[in-house]
Order: sequence, then C-alpha cells, then structure tokens
Amino acid sequence: QVQLKESGPGLMQPSETLSLTCTVSGFSLTSNGVGWVRQPLGKGLVWMGTIWAGGSTNYNSAVQSRLSISRDTSKSQVFLKMNSLQPEDTGTYYCARHIRGSFYWYFDFWGPGTMVTVSS
Amino acid sequence: DIQMTQSPASLSASLGETVSIECLASEGISNDLAWYQQKSGKSPQLLIYAASRLQDGVPSRFSGSGSGTRYSLKISGMQPEDEADYFCQQSYKYPLTFGSGTKLEIK
Repeated sequence: QVQLKESGPGLMQPSETLSLTCTVSGFSLTSNGVGWVRQPLGKGLVWMGTIWAGGSTNYNSAVQSRLSISRDTSKSQVFLKMNSLQPEDTGTYYCARHIRGSFYWYFDFWGPGTMVTVSS
Repeated sequence: DIQMTQSPASLSASLGETVSIECLASEGISNDLAWYQQKSGKSPQLLIYAASRLQDGVPSRFSGSGSGTRYSLKISGMQPEDEADYFCQQSYKYPLTFGSGTKLEIK
C-alpha cells in the first residue's frame, strides 16, 4: 500500500538550513510526484513545492528563493532543503503523493508529518 | 495568488444533521478543487477531488459540488467520526493554495 514518512531534526536554530527526507513505498517516484506542505501549529496548510515524476520541480514563490526539493529514486526518497530558517518556519511538515491527472491535481496520500521548531 | 475563502470558520452539528462548508475562490478555478479532512493530531486525508469526485474509500455521505468560483462540501448525516477540520485546495494556478479551514464539532 502507498505510504510516505517524513524524517528530520525536530529543533533548528534561526539562519540554519533545514533538511527533511520523505521515504515512500507502494509507488514509484518516476510515476508520481511528491509535494511538501507545511502547517504552522494550529493553523492552515501551505503548499511549499512539488517534485514531479519526470524530476521537474515547482515551488511556492513565497519560499522559492530558500527552498530546494530533490530526490533519489533508487532509495525512494524525496528531500527538502530550506535555508535561512526563521521562527515563522516552525510547524509540521508533510510530504504527500501529488497526483497530476489529465485535468485535475490533488494530494491523495499523506505522511504523518514531522514537527520542526525554529528557536534560539 | 488565488485566495480561497472558506466558511464558516467553525460550526457544530448534531448527529444525523446535514452540514455544508463553502469555499469561494478569488477567480475561477474550473473545478480544480479538492477537499481534505484532518482529524486532531493527524495528517490530512483526501475526501473529494475535481470538485465532486469521491476518493476511493470515502463514505458516500460526503459530496462535493460547485463551479466557477463557488464550491461546497456536504456531509449528509453527521457521524461522530466526522468531527475534524476541513480544508479546500485549488490546483488551477500556482501557487497551489488552501482555504483557512473549517472546524466541525459535534453539538
């Protein structure tokens, strides 16, 4: 069955670079995209970016200058790197399978999320 | 960016009651809209995509409708397990954007 699981450090300091890993199973990264979504504590969801089956990426312009998404298909892993962290980057980070159908796109399976706190 | 205005922000419903949640897009999104349910402490789960298509395994009491800029999610017969936050999300234009959420509680 389709599964995704995020991993990474729980606590970061301001100005550091965040590195998160999403390990997937039950599907191939060369057949489906994977997106990253952030959720500040008690707040709504924000799409950060997606790496598609062909390896291309799209980013939210709000974080594009600080964000990089890459993958290792042999390990079924997707990576998020975001530099110049600030306290407002605190939140739960989810990776999700991103379906790009002929006309409609959506996130059909989500990982459990990993909490990241940015604090000095 | 396309703004997704979701309403109400919160509501409470009795068991068996029918509830509706609305999402208004700042411009037309051609039915490229999904609805997600997020239970407390859990990750979001897809309910509806393409505005009205029910995701596999989702109970039929959930339905979606709408067109243009106005979309809605209906729960026909509130169940205890439906207590959750609900979010809409558009994929018509980058950046993909979510509504601010609706907290649904049992009365």
